Amino acid sequence: GQNIDQPTEMTATEGAIVQINCTYQTSGFNGLFWYQQHAGEAPTFLSYNVLDGLEEKGRFSSFLSRSKGYSYLLLKELQMKDSASYLCAASPGAGSYQLTFGKGTKLSVIP
Amino acid sequence: KAGVTQTPRYLIKTRGQQVTLSCSPISGHRSVSWYQQTPGQGLQFLFEYFSETQRNKGNFPGRFSGRQFSNSRSEMNVSTLELGDSALYLCASSLDWTGGNIQYFGAGTRLSVL
Repeated sequence: GQNIDQPTEMTATEGAIVQINCTYQTSGFNGLFWYQQHAGEAPTFLSYNVLDGLEEKGRFSSFLSRSKGYSYLLLKELQMKDSASYLCAASPGAGSYQLTFGKGTKLSVIP
Repeated sequence: KAGVTQTPRYLIKTRGQQVTLSCSPISGHRSVSWYQQTPGQGLQFLFEYFSETQRNKGNFPGRFSGRQFSNSRSEMNVSTLELGDSALYLCASSLDWTGGNIQYFGAGTRLSVL
């Protein structure tokens, strides 16, 4: 089975740094995705981690520890437009064709 | 390059009716997945199609079905609608389904069952 946990809501101040955590327990695991979803819009791809460690893409970074079943998304220099839900999703091992999503973390950026 | 297109964007139905939702994937993408999104459960996998074959199905009742056409366009059907079927239905396409292929989502169809 698959189980993915992430905080329901977070609030952070414009210009600050915020870390959104995600823990997973899966019967098979290939890698971990992060998506951003603004209210009423489609989820959009942010990152995909397969190997342990930190991957940086501009203001966004994502980290994975396979041994701990843990990932985080780090957002720096927060902007108001970063207010959105952030979804982590586990990609299973070979033979399965579905992503398992966490319920999402709603981030509110305040002035 | 056009993104994933879902039609219609909004639907209102009554209990007991059936509904068909449509998804046109990104050109060249052969894998189409469908998800149901609700505030309480988040995104839940419905099924995935590749080359007109359903390769995986989530834990949903048989009232939920789908198909894929030779041009990779996909439809999903929900029969005998229930109030609990009210949700955002999202379609995602990818080149193929291997572990690292990015899924690109459409804007979804918001279904309200009255």
